[in-house]
Amino acid sequence: EAQVTQNPRYLITVTGKKLTVTCSQNMNHEYMSWYRQDPGLGLRQIYYSMNVEVTDKGDVPEGYKVSRKEKRNFPLILESPSPNQTSLYFCASRPLGRTNSPLHFGNGTRLTVT
Amino acid sequence: QKEVEQNSGPLSVPEGAIASLNCTYSDRGSQSFFWYRQYSGKSPELIMSIYSNGDKEDGRFTAQLNKASQYVSLLIRDSQPSDSATYLCAVNSGAGSYQLTFGKGTKLSVIP
Repeated sequence: EAQVTQNPRYLITVTGKKLTVTCSQNMNHEYMSWYRQDPGLGLRQIYYSMNVEVTDKGDVPEGYKVSRKEKRNFPLILESPSPNQTSLYFCASRPLGRTNSPLHFGNGTRLTVT
Repeated sequence: QKEVEQNSGPLSVPEGAIASLNCTYSDRGSQSFFWYRQYSGKSPELIMSIYSNGDKEDGRFTAQLNKASQYVSLLIRDSQPSDSATYLCAVNSGAGSYQLTFGKGTKLSVIP
């Protein structure tokens, strides 16, 4: 089944404790992206990647890191999480070559930082 | 700043009625338009995509695009309580771009 898989689905952590949210897709998509979603603010892009070893900042990159060492994986790293990073996070992917191809979303990761 | 605007709602319609959801966008170069449905706490799922001016129908859903007015809409006929969700409008960020700009969504409530 074609899908984008995020782990974990739920995560509760404390301020300053480094964490990684994994994202993997099995559709051979070049483009991958991370979003956070907060009430009243909608989906905001954190980082995106057009291909292996190519990453770029989105609208809200502060406090986050990403890497794209393999085409299928695009982990989101919070080196020193803070309470304002409490949010619902989504990973998404799409193929390049056609700008009318839709984004495929993972199931989301609900992060709470205390 | 490329913008996508939606009425946040909530939009309440009775069961069986037509729900009309609207979206305007600022970038005249945008070429691809998408409607996603999102249930609370779940991931967005694609409902419709449209690329040419006019209407596109898929079952109970019709997407309408007017590039001159920079306006895209989604009509849901025979609305069902299961259609109650937040609907996100997404627009590709300019010609040839792979970036999508999302509206903040319109919350739809279908009353039985």
